Amino acid sequence: AQTVTQSQPEMSVQEAETVTLSCTYDTSESNYYLFWYKQPPSRQMILVIRQEAYKQQNATENRFSVNFQKAAKSFSLKISDSQLGDTAMYFCAFMKQGRDDKIIFGKGTRLHILP
Amino acid sequence: EPEVTQTPSHQVTQMGQEVILRCVPISNHLYFYWYRQILGQKVEFLVSFYNNEISEKSEIFDDQFSVERPDGSNFTLKIRSTKLEDSAMYFCASSDPLNTGELFFGEGSRLTVL
Repeated sequence: AQTVTQSQPEMSVQEAETVTLSCTYDTSESNYYLFWYKQPPSRQMILVIRQEAYKQQNATENRFSVNFQKAAKSFSLKISDSQLGDTAMYFCAFMKQGRDDKIIFGKGTRLHILP
Repeated sequence: EPEVTQTPSHQVTQMGQEVILRCVPISNHLYFYWYRQILGQKVEFLVSFYNNEISEKSEIFDDQFSVERPDGSNFTLKIRSTKLEDSAMYFCASSDPLNTGELFFGEGSRLTVL
């Protein structure tokens, strides 16, 4: 069975700083996706960034980037130039590559961006 | 922009009562999911649905739970006889035909069982 572990329950950083959220996972699969989802207060979860396991290059989306270490089964999220709107719960997630496979979430990291 | 909508946003019910949570997925999506999040805990998979049948269900999804797509647009989760431990936020999600992993979530339905 796959597991996703986020070791940081809560973090706070000053606006404009860079912050890194950690995630590790465990799987015996070779083909899979990894995700970071963001859940702002009282809002639905939205996808921040996605990484296909077969790609060596780390995914980036504007201020968001990942450090994907497949051998170490590590998938951290870096937020550069953090903004107040980045305040949210961030979930690391895993999905086997298959037609209708489910996403498995970690417990989440609550990120506070301070003015 | 298309979105997943859920109703009700909050429901309070007595233990033992039946509850139906409703979801309207994005119209061209083919894969549907229910997840739940007990306060302060992680988001847990309940069930996935494709081609009008359950694809996979978790151990949480016992005989008290059922899902249905009654009219081609709505996707419902029914809890037949609610228990206190069913109190949680329930999220519906849908995914496009390629199912590349991006789930589109609704805002959730908060269920409080008294």
